[in-house]
Amino acid sequence: DGGITQSPKYLFRKEGQNVTLSCEQNLNHDAMYWYRQDPGQGLRLIYYSQIVNDFQKGDIAEGYSVSREKKESFPLTVTSAQKNPTAFYLCATHRGGLSGYTFGSGTRLTVV
Amino acid sequence: SQKIEQNSEALNIQEGKTATLTCNYTNYSPAYLQWYRQDPGRGPVFLLLIRENEKEKRKERLKVTFDTTLKQSLFHITASQPADSATYLCALDRGTGGFKTIFGAGTRLFVKA
Repeated sequence: DGGITQSPKYLFRKEGQNVTLSCEQNLNHDAMYWYRQDPGQGLRLIYYSQIVNDFQKGDIAEGYSVSREKKESFPLTVTSAQKNPTAFYLCATHRGGLSGYTFGSGTRLTVV
Repeated sequence: SQKIEQNSEALNIQEGKTATLTCNYTNYSPAYLQWYRQDPGRGPVFLLLIRENEKEKRKERLKVTFDTTLKQSLFHITASQPADSATYLCALDRGTGGFKTIFGAGTRLFVKA
């Protein structure tokens, strides 16, 4: 089955730690995205990548970093500079043209 | 600033009735609009897309309308079932490619048996 795998499902971060969220896809889509979801708010774009070895900042990139070394993979690192990282993180792909996103099942990050 | 509004209050309806969810927007001229379903603890699932020059789109029990004059989209589920209970998100796009999308916060729907 084609799809997006996000791991881990739950992640706990201590103050001052960097953590990395994994996103792998086998849909052969060029474009990949990271969104953050907080209660009562719409999804907010963190970073996106339209092609391997290239990525762009979204609306709330501060405190986050990404890489896109392979078409299938788009990991997100939440750095210690992100002051309020507790949220639900969603990875998505887009096949281009007039279509919707395909989302992964998400990673819930909690600061302890 | 650009804004999308979906009713933050949950919608409760009886099984078999039609559920109607609203998406309003301001300061935006979308090329198309999308609706997604999201279950608790899961990622959104794409349901329907409607372009600015389309008035209505249907898919099985789902119907979406798009009124660019009123700056509003309505999402209807006919003959609703308890399995339709979920949060429904609307999203607006200015162009193709996916990186110009704005998402609403969603409306929670409860369908009672």
